[in-house]
Amino acid sequence: DTEVTQTPKHLVMGMTNKKSLKCEQHMGHRAMYWYKQKAKKPPELMFVYSYEKLSINESVPSRFSPECPNSSLLNLHLHALQPEDSALYLCASSQGLTGSTEAFFGQGTRLTVV
Amino acid sequence: AQKVTQAQTEISVVEKEDVTLDCVYETRDTTYYLFWYKQPPSGELVFLIRRNSFDEQNEISGRYSWNFQKSTSSFNFTITASQVVDSAVYFCALGSTGANNLFFGTGTRLTVIP
Repeated sequence: DTEVTQTPKHLVMGMTNKKSLKCEQHMGHRAMYWYKQKAKKPPELMFVYSYEKLSINESVPSRFSPECPNSSLLNLHLHALQPEDSALYLCASSQGLTGSTEAFFGQGTRLTVV
Repeated sequence: AQKVTQAQTEISVVEKEDVTLDCVYETRDTTYYLFWYKQPPSGELVFLIRRNSFDEQNEISGRYSWNFQKSTSSFNFTITASQVVDSAVYFCALGSTGANNLFFGTGTRLTVIP
């Protein structure tokens, strides 16, 4: 099983809403990632969790708050987002550091902020 | 500085034609890793291949083949006898040892016309 599962697949939220994106993997990977991808652009790294600890935060605004409850789960809590935050949010996991090992991605959550 | 250039923004081919996607990279690292990922319309990035900087052997996997040339800093990807299911955005990416980030190119959108 090499699957990374993300829920929900689509999300529409208002600028005052609070919502969460969820990601799950059962490959025993110890590194998990959140990427943001705007239309016709490559993915941009947001956060990296390594052994359930936040190791990289790429200067992401505080309205995005990651959480890693255990080695299989990764959440992204959203609050007071702006319309420009509308994008595809991808979760990924890897056995080792993603600079040298392949990452496995979920199908993403297509987020629209209205 | 790390940089990946995919000069071809969009390519259209007729089914059964061969197509080559170009990737040129820049890095000062002596040890680095190159990747190709496929992103179909469904959204997830699908890992295709990883190559480390010490392995210049070309690789063939079915209809896919990769040509790695350090002399020209290129890692090109060829699809032989293209099929409609090959239609996707293809990303070339660069990583390095000890890093937890990938530098993605801007992607090439391939459309295979039946």
